[in-house]
Formats: sequence, C-alpha cells, structure tokens
Amino acid sequence: NAGVTQTPKFQVLKTGQSMTLQCAQDMNHNSMYWYRQDPGMGLRLIYYSASEGTTDKGEVPNGYNVSRLNKREFSLRLESAAPSQTSVYFCASSAGQRLLTFGSGTRLTVV
Amino acid sequence: QQQVKQSPQSLIVQKGGISIINCAYENTAFDYFPWYQQFPGKGPALLIAIRPDVSEKKEGRFTISFNKSAKQFSLHIMDSQPGDSATYFCAATTTTSGTYKYIFGTGTRLKVLA
Repeated sequence: NAGVTQTPKFQVLKTGQSMTLQCAQDMNHNSMYWYRQDPGMGLRLIYYSASEGTTDKGEVPNGYNVSRLNKREFSLRLESAAPSQTSVYFCASSAGQRLLTFGSGTRLTVV
Repeated sequence: QQQVKQSPQSLIVQKGGISIINCAYENTAFDYFPWYQQFPGKGPALLIAIRPDVSEKKEGRFTISFNKSAKQFSLHIMDSQPGDSATYFCAATTTTSGTYKYIFGTGTRLKVLA
C-alpha cells in the first residue's frame, strides 16, 4: 500500500548537471502530475499527464522535461540544472476524481 | 483569473482556540474546493473538500465555509491542537477536456501552542 513513491528523497546538483526524478504509483491512477513547492509560492504545476501516452505543460515547464513511461511511472528530467530549480518537487496522481495523492517529495538543491 | 489567494501566510493559535484560514478566487469555472494539510517533510494530504452548491461542510473539528457570491471559502479548525500544526493549502479545481486542473493557494503555516 505504498501510494506514490518518489526517488530520490534528497539530491544536490552542481549547476549544469542533469538528473531524473522518478515517480511511481500503485493505485492504477490515470493522471499524474509534477509540482514544485517554493516558500511563499505554494504548489506550482510543472507538467502533467492526463493518461498514459500523453503529457502537457503546466504553469512552470521551462527547464524540465517529462516522460510517462507507463501507467505507473512518470519521470521529471532536468537537462541542465540551474540554482533557480532549487526546490521541493512533488509527484501526485489522481484517478480522475478531483483528489490528488501526493508523494513525500524530493528536496533538490542546485549549487 | 486563475489565482487562488490565501491568507494569512502564517498563523499562531493557542491550544483550544479556533484557527481560520481564508481563500478567494476569481474564476467562476472552479467547481470543487479541497483543502490539503502538509506536515514537515511530507507531501500534502487531502483534509476536506466542498462543492459550490454547499455553503458549509464539517468533518470533525474541521469545517469549510463557502460563499459563492463573494467567491470566498475558508477553513475553520475548532479546538485547535498542537498536532494540527502544519501548512494548509486551499485549492480550486476545474475540468478541461476531462482533465482536472488544480490551482493551489500559497499556503498558511499554522502553529498551535501547547
């Protein structure tokens, strides 16, 4: 009964490095989302996938790419990390019933 | 029009007191209003939610009050406890081509003093 699992939990990157944040859900949800959380900014949508095989940009997509690998997995890639991408990243999923289930987050620091 | 404005940014309440967090929206297409609770180091979790055809919804010590004409809704935490200390996010949702779109407020950090 894991729900939404994110890896890694913590990561420090140097400016210009790349990395992929992994997310998997075991609830058979159709929709998956990537958010970033910054102090005073709330949760901002980066990308989402309404169903397997589709992805769409959210509010703050610049500097990120995503892959919906299958129904369970939705990854977020930073091709060339920048200090402005220092944030806490949350993956979430939804069965299409307006309720989001979040993972526990990845705290990313770019130096 | 897509914003959800949340206040206050932070709130300190004595144990047993009432905590009140307010949110306002502009887009009349929003049709579902959930509140999420987030403890440090954890992801947000759904606390309570309301549809706009209802003026109030209560679950235990947590109540949402909804004013459709004013486009405002609020979370009331009665008999606040130290265990309620967390960050609270209001949200509003709408649908586009069958996909739900969530807009979150900026969050309120609540601290309940023992």
